[in-house]
Amino acid sequence: EAQVTQNPRYLITVTGKKLTVTCSQNMNHEYMSWYRQDPGLGLRQIYYSMNVEVTDKGDVPEGYKVSRKEKRNFPLILESPSPNQTSLYFCASSFRDSYNSPLHFGNGTRLTVT
Amino acid sequence: LAKTTQPISMDSYEGQEVNITCSHNNIATNDYITWYQQFPSQGPRFIIQGYKTKVTNEVASLFIPADRKSSTLSLPRVSLSDTAVYYCISISNFGNEKLTFGTGTRLTIIP
Repeated sequence: EAQVTQNPRYLITVTGKKLTVTCSQNMNHEYMSWYRQDPGLGLRQIYYSMNVEVTDKGDVPEGYKVSRKEKRNFPLILESPSPNQTSLYFCASSFRDSYNSPLHFGNGTRLTVT
Repeated sequence: LAKTTQPISMDSYEGQEVNITCSHNNIATNDYITWYQQFPSQGPRFIIQGYKTKVTNEVASLFIPADRKSSTLSLPRVSLSDTAVYYCISISNFGNEKLTFGTGTRLTIIP
């Protein structure tokens, strides 16, 4: 089954404790992206990647890191999480060069930083 | 800076046709208009996409006038399960790149 898999689904952590949210897709998509969703602010893009070893900042990259060492994986890293990073996070993927390639989203990771 | 503008919320009764408008005054020549639907605690899912005139699929219709400065998503005979947030975004045919979703339109269907 074609899908984007995020782990974990729920995560509670404390300020300053490094964490990684994993994202994996099995559709051979070149493009991958991370979003955060907060009440009243909609979906905001954190980072995106057009292909392996190519990443770029979205609208709200501060406090986050990503890497794209393999095509299928695009982990989101919070080196020193803070309470303002409490949010619902979504990973998405699609083919790169076709306009007719909708984004496929994962089921989300709800992160709470205390 | 958001590339599209939508109403924050809408209500409709079951069985009616719902039209959600989206304004994109500065749409680029190479951009397509794409709509996504999001249920609570789920990721958005693709509904429909178009460049101009009318596109129809099994779920919805999309109307884009000749000037392409706006578009309308039409949901025929809505049911309670259509209650969701709907996002209108413009996508370049050069690739997805930096995609801004904005806040979307929260559609509530009333029994």
